[in-house]
Amino acid sequence: DQQVKQNSPSLSVQEGRISILNCDYTNSMFDYFLWYKKYPAEGPTFLISISSIKDKNEDGRFTVFLNKSAKHLSLHIVPSQPGDSAVYFCAAGEANNFNKFYFGSGTKLNVKP
Amino acid sequence: GVTQSPTHLIKTRGQQVTLRCSSQSGHNTVSWYQQALGQGPQFIFQYYRKEENGRGNFPPRFSGLQFPNDSSELNVNALELDDSALYLCASSSNSGANVLTFGAGSRLTVL
Repeated sequence: DQQVKQNSPSLSVQEGRISILNCDYTNSMFDYFLWYKKYPAEGPTFLISISSIKDKNEDGRFTVFLNKSAKHLSLHIVPSQPGDSAVYFCAAGEANNFNKFYFGSGTKLNVKP
Repeated sequence: GVTQSPTHLIKTRGQQVTLRCSSQSGHNTVSWYQQALGQGPQFIFQYYRKEENGRGNFPPRFSGLQFPNDSSELNVNALELDDSALYLCASSSNSGANVLTFGAGSRLTVL
């Protein structure tokens, strides 16, 4: 029973264009969401987060959008750079129960020079 | 950061394995995740103040320890082929928003 889903296993984007990675969740109790980036042979590294009281959070080239009614979040990367090529995981949890996060299966982003 | 050992290991079915994790300085909470091939990390359990503080859908043969210096061990008994995976340790501080800092993982292969 996957509570967090990333339906696109891969995405290819030209350098300088926008990358949009999508994530859906099923549990309405989730109120805290994160994106992690993972390079080969490294652990996932935290990228950006958003709580359910917001619908947008921005950090430099990275913006996360949350649509609570649709139980959908997306990560926008603008402009995309070749160094952004990695696997991106979205994760969800409950703000009053931070001991457990649910992860999607990841989207492999390839940014072509 | 978070360091894990060993990086790779091979075991046979029925054996036991211990994986180790040193948490990031200042972090007092350690979580363990299993990442099977092509999947996202799946929560195994978390330790805070040496006590298990939440557990995912894993059988009791998965157990853990947290030591006074907040380092941790993951023990798996009676290994099964499906236990082959990348095991990720993540540390965090138990205050406010909980961003996990992950290690690079231990790749376990069960033959």
